[in-house]
Amino acid sequence: DAGVIQSPRHEVTEMGQEVTLRCKPISGHNSLFWYRQTMMRGLELLIYFNNNVPIDDSGMPEDRFSAKMPNASFSTLKIQPSEPRDSAVYFCASGNTEAFFGQGTRLTVV
Amino acid sequence: AQSVTQLDSQVPVFEEAPVELRCNYSSSVSVYLFWYVQYPNQGLQLLLKYLSGSTLVESINGFEAEFNKSQTSFHLRKPSVHISDTAEYFCAVSDGGIQGAQKLVFGQGTRLTINP
Repeated sequence: DAGVIQSPRHEVTEMGQEVTLRCKPISGHNSLFWYRQTMMRGLELLIYFNNNVPIDDSGMPEDRFSAKMPNASFSTLKIQPSEPRDSAVYFCASGNTEAFFGQGTRLTVV
Repeated sequence: AQSVTQLDSQVPVFEEAPVELRCNYSSSVSVYLFWYVQYPNQGLQLLLKYLSGSTLVESINGFEAEFNKSQTSFHLRKPSVHISDTAEYFCAVSDGGIQGAQKLVFGQGTRLTINP
């Protein structure tokens, strides 16, 4: 298995633009997580899904953030409109007992 | 709610010296405990985990951690470190969740620097 695949690896966008981050989890995993990592706040859980259903989105910062999981092999995290304070590394992870992480998407909003 | 405290933000040690990275957690339910390692510009990799059974768990590269329920700790140790162990280490806790979902809560991380 290729592991959790995230795209793009790097994204630079202007403030106000829409940003979509993509994730392909490992086949057979029931849970999918979106995390955000910054120097100031460390690793924060934004949202997680179980069997494609959102279970807890209490970590989503505000209405500008949304996440979907239309099927077991794909998830997106969308930010609209983006702001400079959204700059971070966004990780997707999947698993059943433990979480397996993707390589992350480094987002820079200028 | 669960939380994790990693008591040291940075730990510098000399090569071949022993090291301990400290982790304490709080939870009102039974927990699963994990240590993850992150090398520069990479994602997190699972180092070892405690789910049940023996309280001492080991990784393939010489790290070990011991679950201590009375002290709510899960400290990570290695008797002799190598330059290649330089990385950031994260302790994490999860509960059983719903239908197997594992909501992982992470500590702030400990940066381990190995000096020659």
